[in-house]
Amino acid sequence: AQSVTQLDSHVSVSEGTPVLLRCNYSSSYSPSLFWYVQHPNKGLQLLLKYTSAATLVKGINGFEAEFKKSETSFHLTKPSAHMSDAAEYFCVVTVTGGGNKLTFGTGTQLKVEL
Amino acid sequence: EAGVAQSPRYKIIEKRQSVAFWCNPISGHATLYWYQQILGQGPKLLIQFQNNGVVDDSQLPKDRFSAERLKGVDSTLKIQPAKLEDSAVYLCASSPTGHNFMNTEAFFGQGTRLTVV
Repeated sequence: AQSVTQLDSHVSVSEGTPVLLRCNYSSSYSPSLFWYVQHPNKGLQLLLKYTSAATLVKGINGFEAEFKKSETSFHLTKPSAHMSDAAEYFCVVTVTGGGNKLTFGTGTQLKVEL
Repeated sequence: EAGVAQSPRYKIIEKRQSVAFWCNPISGHATLYWYQQILGQGPKLLIQFQNNGVVDDSQLPKDRFSAERLKGVDSTLKIQPAKLEDSAVYLCASSPTGHNFMNTEAFFGQGTRLTVV
């Protein structure tokens, strides 16, 4: 079985300050992990993915995430928030040999204030 | 490269009516997913196809929901009869995964927002 837990349902930051969105995963096998972003009335867009290569993954729009097996975590970070980053973010896990089933977290709503 | 196409974008129906959603995945993608996203929640997998075969439909309410992907390309999801709690966004996604499951990125359509009144 596989699952993800997004530790914060809402995160609020000021523009220009760092962003941290937390995700912990659980899986019986080696996982692949993703972060997707969903802007209002838009489809889900892939930010970045980890598939057993480098543990520090860089994505689009300045986001990055670090896979930490010992902590079963895959937190999403960005050094400096921009107003356009305000959206819902989903952490997703899948496992090789698990039928490629994608399991979503419950989402973190990021608010960016001036 | 064209993305995942879904139609309609919006649909309003009365409870007990039927509705169908259509999805055309990215060309060549073997895996197709249907997700249900209720407001304020993360997407929940309803059904997953590998080509025209069902891989996982464990969370599909089979008494009212059905889905098919007859030629291994486009897919339809049907609800009959609809209930109020079916109000949600229905997302279709596709992935170029083959038997080695190495390329697991999924590409999502914009979804169909269903309102049942």
